[in-house]
Order: sequence, then structure tokens, then C-alpha cells
Amino acid sequence: NAGVTQTPKFRILKIGQSMTLQCTQDMNHNYMYWYRQDPGMGLKLIYYSVGAGITDKGEVPNGYNVSRSTTEDFPLRLELAAPSQTSVYFCASSYSPQRSNQPQHFGDGTRLSIL
Amino acid sequence: AQKVTQAQTEISVVEKEDVTLDCVYETRDTTYYLFWYKQPPSGELVFLIRRNSFDEQNEISGRYSWNFQKSTSSFNFTITASQVVDSAVYFCALSGNAGGTSYGKLTFGQGTILTVHP
Repeated sequence: NAGVTQTPKFRILKIGQSMTLQCTQDMNHNYMYWYRQDPGMGLKLIYYSVGAGITDKGEVPNGYNVSRSTTEDFPLRLELAAPSQTSVYFCASSYSPQRSNQPQHFGDGTRLSIL
Repeated sequence: AQKVTQAQTEISVVEKEDVTLDCVYETRDTTYYLFWYKQPPSGELVFLIRRNSFDEQNEISGRYSWNFQKSTSSFNFTITASQVVDSAVYFCALSGNAGGTSYGKLTFGQGTILTVHP
């Protein structure tokens, strides 16, 4: 059981480049989330999705876009990379809280550096 | 708005000492969930415990115990007889009203770096 899989694990981008961070889960979870963790800080929510075709902004959405065309996949896109987006990105998934008492399952993270 | 405060930025102890990590939270929701996660040096997030706002019973799991006090909005975490393998960053987190519009979104504290020396 793979759980939540994030790719790539590491990436270095130049300022102004774009890229997509991939996230896929095989647990049939309807809720998915993207968080970023800056050095010495806790995680902050970027975007979330409560099901295929439904996404909404979190606390720090600027500079990012998401889509949710399937239950399994929730990619995060950076259109114009900026040094402030250097961070570790975590994807997570869960059943809806009303359905399950299980907590969010987190991927192993993508470490992204913008130079 | 929700807020989680972990006032201890770093804690250093010697193996076999007991250590308590503090967590204070703010929320307007009447129903909410509190969590503790561990982030070892390898970087992944490891779920430790989830507690709902209706259940103020303390919980013990091996060397770990949690003290939830709604009156002081605190959810503290104690490691008894600490070990070197406990060295990690520990995060307290809060999720709002599950039946409302929180959608399970987590608000994290800044984390406490725990170093256990041999």
C-alpha cells in the first residue's frame, strides 16, 4: 500500500521557471491538501480539495495553482518560481472528517530550492 | 481564526529524563480536533495522536502521554524516560469543526525541536 506519493523528492529551479509537484494517493481519500514548511516553521496550508473538480485556497495560495481531475491526483503548479517559494512541500490526504476518525496521511515531502 | 502556539522552540535533555512539550491553541469552534506529529531528521511527518474536543481524558501510550485541558486550551505532550531516538521536531496541530467548513484543514504550531543526548 503506497499511501501518499510525492514526486520529485528534490528539485532546484531558477527564478521564473515553472514546474508541477505531483501528488497521488491510492487510499480513495476524497480530501487532499498541499502544505509548505519553511525552515524552522510549522506547515502552512496552500490549497485543498474536497473531491474531484473542487479546490479552494488555503492560508498561503499566492504563486500556486492546483487542479483535481481525479480522486487520486492533486498536482501543485508553480508558474513563475520565486526565491520565497523555496520550501519543503507536503501533500496529504484523508477521508472526510464526518466519515472517518483517521488523521491525514502525509507524503514524504518535496524539497524545492529556487535560485 | 485558529492559532496554535508552541512556546518552546528548542528543548535539550539527557537520555532517561522526562520532558513535556507545551501546546496552547485558540479556536472559536465548539467541536475541534487536536493532533501531535513527529518529524524525525529524515523529514517525514509521523502521526502520534488525535484527540477530539469532547474527550478530555488523558491518554498514555507506552512512554508517551498527553494532557488535554479544555479550560486552559492546552494539549501538552510528555515523553517519559526519553531516548536518543525521540530526537525530532514535534508539531501540535488543530483542525476545526469537522461538520462545518473546516474540511479537516490543519493549523500547525511552529514546532519544538527536541534533542535527547546520550
